[in-house]
This record gives sequence, structure tokens and C-alpha cells, in this order.
Amino acid sequence: GQNIDQPTEMTATEGAIVQINCTYQTSGFNGLFWYQQHAGEAPTFLSYNVLDGLEEKGRFSSFLSRSKGYSYLLLKELQMKDSASYLCAVPDSGAGSYQLTFGKGTKLSVIP
Amino acid sequence: GAVVSQHPSRVICKSGTSVKIECRSLDFQATTMFWYRQFPKQSLMLMATSNEGSKATYEQGVEKDKFLINHASLTLSTLTVTSAHPEDSSFYICSAIGVGQGAYGYTFGSGTRLTVV
Repeated sequence: GQNIDQPTEMTATEGAIVQINCTYQTSGFNGLFWYQQHAGEAPTFLSYNVLDGLEEKGRFSSFLSRSKGYSYLLLKELQMKDSASYLCAVPDSGAGSYQLTFGKGTKLSVIP
Repeated sequence: GAVVSQHPSRVICKSGTSVKIECRSLDFQATTMFWYRQFPKQSLMLMATSNEGSKATYEQGVEKDKFLINHASLTLSTLTVTSAHPEDSSFYICSAIGVGQGAYGYTFGSGTRLTVV
């Protein structure tokens, strides 16, 4: 099965940088997703990492280390609208199965 | 980009009645639809996976006779909560992958907030 662990809550200041960590244990590996979810809304795609390293996309970057079973999402120049839950997710490793398993999510609060 | 339209966005129903939630892929053929449930302050929990034209595969602990899933066409999947009870109150979200979207090109619906009174 899949096991995903991420912090429950984080607080950061507007304009600052925050790093949200995710560790995972899977029987196989088909990449790792990060989603943003505002309260009462569906998740929106942020990133998909399948190779080791850092991928930068504007204010958001995502890092993956497959050997360590570790990823992080880096948010720069925080804005109030970045207050949301951030979900780490991995696809199932079974052949022909594309199910996503989500972590419990990290609720980020951005304060002035 | 790909869009999945989910309706209704909010529904309130009386205990014992049934509620149908629809998810339509507007610009692609959804070969697989995933249905999730999310309770307050919790993450998305997969309820079932449905492939077009096949019976849905339910996750352990999800009652297939209570949560009826139909995926009769490549653009429409429905989830019917039968004999709803207050404990079924939750946020239900569909997610689709399909033709031309890549193996992991998940597109989420906007969610349905179900309240059973």
C-alpha cells in the first residue's frame, strides 16, 4: 500500500518563503503530485515530479528525492491567497491502475 | 484545458432520500472516473473507480449498494447516494482521466457539498 506523511498545519508571513514537506512509502513509484485546495473547492494541480531534483514554476517549486522517499513544495513571496491546504499525492503502482492516494494535507495559513 | 463539470455544487436532502451527483467531461473522453469523499479537515478518500462500460470497483469499507456509480458513457459518470443519512454529509469530488490526457492527467470536478438533514 501507500503511506504518505505531511505536516498538518503551518503558518507563514506574507512575503516570506515556506517549505511544505512530504514523505512517502510506496511499493513502486510513478511520480508525485502536489495539489492546492481552498476550503470547499476541488484540488487544483500544482506540480508532478517523476525525476529527482527541483522543478520551478513561478512562485512555486517542487523537489523530489526518490531514494529518500521525500518531496517538498516551496512557496515564495507568499500572498494571502496562498492560504489553503496543500496535498501531496502518489499514483498507485499497480499495472493499469491510476488511482491517486492523497496525504492528509497541510493547511497553510498566511498571516500579514 | 480539460474540464469536468460536476453538479450540483450544493445539495441538502432529507434523511432517507436519494441524491444523484453528475460529473461530465466537457472536452475529452473520460475512460476512468474516480469518486472521492472528503470530510471536514480531512483529505480526499477514494470511494470507487469506474471505467466506462464496466462496473465500478469500490474501496474497502464503501457500500456499493449505498453509493451507486454509473459510467455508461465516455462523458458522464454519476454517483447516487441512496437512503442518505446525516453521516453521509460530506464533500464529494470526481476526478477523470481519459483519452489524450496522459496517464496521470487527472481533471477534478468542482465538488458537491452534500448535507443530509
